Order: sequence, then C-alpha cells, then structure tokens
Amino acid sequence: DQQVKQNSPSLSVQEGRISILNCDYTNSMFDYFLWYKKYPAEGPTFLISISSIKDKNEDGRFTVFLNKSAKHLSLHIVPSQPGDSAVYFCASPIKAAGNKLTFGGGTRVLVKP
Amino acid sequence: GAGVSQSPSNKVTEKGKDVELRCDPISGHTALYWYRQRLGQGLEFLIYFQGNSAPDKSGLPSDRFSAERTGESVSTLTIQRTQQEDSAVYLCASSRGLAVDTQYFGPGTRLTVL
Repeated sequence: DQQVKQNSPSLSVQEGRISILNCDYTNSMFDYFLWYKKYPAEGPTFLISISSIKDKNEDGRFTVFLNKSAKHLSLHIVPSQPGDSAVYFCASPIKAAGNKLTFGGGTRVLVKP
Repeated sequence: GAGVSQSPSNKVTEKGKDVELRCDPISGHTALYWYRQRLGQGLEFLIYFQGNSAPDKSGLPSDRFSAERTGESVSTLTIQRTQQEDSAVYLCASSRGLAVDTQYFGPGTRLTVL
C-alpha cells in the first residue's frame, strides 16, 4: 500500500515557465512533508519542506502548497531552469517509526532550453 | 562541513557472495537510515538507528540483510548470499535525530549482482 503517490512519472517544461509537481498521500497522520531532488548517480538532496500547520512555504524559486483536506501537496518551480532537470521525490516521515521517510515514486522533470 | 559519505560508490559481485556497504554520517547526527532504490522504483526504507536505542529493522527484506552501527558514527550494511534482486542503489541518510528533522543523503552505493 503506497501511502505517498506521485502520479506523474515525468514532466517536460520550457525554460522560464512554471513546473508543477503533484503528490498525494493517504495517511492522515502525516503532518510534515519534504521534497527531495535527485540527479543521476547522486543521493537525493533536500529541497523544501512544509508542516501541516501551514498551507504554503516558499524558498526562492520553489514553493510548496499543502491542501490537507485533499491530502495533496504540490511543488511549484518558477521560473524553471535547465539545471532543475532531475527526479523529484515527495516524502513524509512516519513519526511513530523513528521518522523513517515514506517516498513517492518520483517525477522526472526535463526543462528544455 | 562534510556531508554523508558512502563506500564503495559501485560494487559488482557474483550471486551468492556477501557484500558490505559503509556509511559515514554527518558528525553529530544521531539518527542514521538506510534506504534502497531499485531500478525504476522509488526509495524504500530498510533500517534505522537512533542513538543507543535498538534499531528499527522493519524494512529489511530478508534475514540475509543486516546492519550495524558503532555508537553514533559509521554504519555497515551487510548482504549475505546476494541475489540478483538485491541489485539496487543503497542510500544512507543521517539527521540530528530531533522530533522531525531533515535527513541528508549520501551519494549511494550502486550494487550489481551478476
């Protein structure tokens, strides 16, 4: 049972435009979410997080939105840059289990120059 | 400061052999996690260490997998009698071990079992 889902395996966007990545979760106990970015042959790099007490968190070009009632979060990247081409994972820690992360399957983003 | 490091970066082994993977967490991080990512799949949790507490082994796929950690430093993940389905990238992450904290990942070890 996949508790965190990213239903779009890939996304292609033109440089300068907005990239929108979506993530859905089923466990209502999840109250903290993280986005990681992964380049080939490298480990995931932390990008941005959001707590359930907020519905938006912004850091430069990256903004994460959380809709608790819909159990949905999204990552907006604007403007998209070629260096943003990577695989993006959303994840949530299971507090009752040492904060081990449950990951979505990832979305591969390609930003075309 | 240094990030999480892992060695080797790549490991090719024959089916049935044992392998040992190493992780050096960020200094001062009390929590250490192992994950793996098989080809075309997301990351799956394997095992978790927090300070001197008993590790959470709930993600280990079989008894061929084991891990140790010395205090709050190095950890080794051992896979005995490797099988082809063990081929994956094995990722280590560490965090300060606070209630909710960001986990920082190493570059991973790519294991290929022939």
